[in-house]
Amino acid sequence: DAGVIQSPRHEVTEMGQEVTLRCKPISGHDYLFWYRQTMMRGLELLIYFNNNVPIDDSGMPEDRFSAKMPNASFSTLKIQPSEPRDSAVYFCASSLGSSPNTDTQYFGPGTRLTVL
Amino acid sequence: AQKVTQAQTEISVVEKEDVTLDCVYETRDTTYYLFWYKQPPSGELVFLIRRNSFDEQNEISGRYSWNFQKSTSSFNFTITASQVVDSAVYFCALSEARGGADGLTFGKGTHLIIQP
Repeated sequence: DAGVIQSPRHEVTEMGQEVTLRCKPISGHDYLFWYRQTMMRGLELLIYFNNNVPIDDSGMPEDRFSAKMPNASFSTLKIQPSEPRDSAVYFCASSLGSSPNTDTQYFGPGTRLTVL
Repeated sequence: AQKVTQAQTEISVVEKEDVTLDCVYETRDTTYYLFWYKQPPSGELVFLIRRNSFDEQNEISGRYSWNFQKSTSSFNFTITASQVVDSAVYFCALSEARGGADGLTFGKGTHLIIQP
């Protein structure tokens, strides 16, 4: 079975540009999570969805970040405008189950974002 | 608040040696879940194991074993007869079943280097 799919795998952009990261969760999983990994802060949860509905976005750093999940098989994380400090690896993860805290989260390969 | 501490930032051993990665956690919840993930140089996060707080049985999977001790709030990971392919960053993570959903709280990771 296919795992979590993310695209692009690498993104290099210039400051001020809009960036859109994409994620396809594992089929049948009810929860989708976006994480960011940096050397300074490690892995941080940005936002998560349950059945396509955003449940907790308290980890989103600021208004420049937005996330959507228009259907069960697709989610986007958008940064507009991007800044150099947004450079990081962004992971998408999905899990199956009745609670976001109890089931195993399976991660995609990540998108390495570099903002110049 | 939940917290995971991986005190070993980096460990270097020679191939075939046994190595133990430490993980200490803090939580106020009586029901919680512990995880280990592996992040090889290619960057993806690979799920290794999930344990719930009511199951203190040690687990063995091939050369991998895990020692869960609630008395010391530890969930240590041992690799027996290490191999070069085990070189990676290993993350311990915690989620609480009750209360707000914070997703997974990750430790800072232990960079394991297996020298040939």
